[in-house]
Amino acid sequence: GAGVSQSPSNKVTEKGKDVELRCDPISGHTALYWYRQSLGQGLEFLIYFQGNSAPDKSGLPSDRFSAERTGGSVSTLTIQRTQQEDSAVYLCASSLGLGLAGEQYFGPGTRLTVT
Amino acid sequence: DQQVKQNSPSLSVQEGRISILNCDYTNSMFDYFLWYKKYPAEGPTFLISISSIKDKNEDGRFTVFLNKSAKHLSLHIVPSQPGDSAVYFCAAKAAGNKLTFGGGTRVLVKP
Repeated sequence: GAGVSQSPSNKVTEKGKDVELRCDPISGHTALYWYRQSLGQGLEFLIYFQGNSAPDKSGLPSDRFSAERTGGSVSTLTIQRTQQEDSAVYLCASSLGLGLAGEQYFGPGTRLTVT
Repeated sequence: DQQVKQNSPSLSVQEGRISILNCDYTNSMFDYFLWYKKYPAEGPTFLISISSIKDKNEDGRFTVFLNKSAKHLSLHIVPSQPGDSAVYFCAAKAAGNKLTFGGGTRVLVKP
């Protein structure tokens, strides 16, 4: 079956512009997560959605970052007034929801470059 | 403050030998630990996990060991194969499903 898909795969933008990154989770997965990986770093949690519950936004680095999930499926991560330090690979993951296993299935990521 | 640390950024091993990857954590509330493998230009893929109530979990060539008193876990790959060359991330979970990742260890298996 189809895995997690993300678009675009690459995005180059000028400093100060807004960008939108899209994630299509695996069908039936109720939990959706956003992470980012800066050059040479590990994955940094940003936000996660679980069903109809309020999202956990504790990892968002600033109020320029926001995310929404429409209809319990597709999610969009928006970065306003991009800065050079926002350059990273943004990874989306989904899982069957809360549970002991919690294995998350990752998409290929969107590589964002802010010039 | 890094709650999950992988102190070895890289590891080189001969094909057929054992690869041992280490991971240390500081948060005693972590109750579940996972290893992910990542190839270039792809997202991480789940490899193996272990609950905090266990000290060992084995799946084929992969075994994860957990030492709770030392807040340390390790991943053993034996025998190592060239296709195992990738970056390996250790991750930990507390309440909820948010994962905290280590910085990764790049493994190179030489034929």
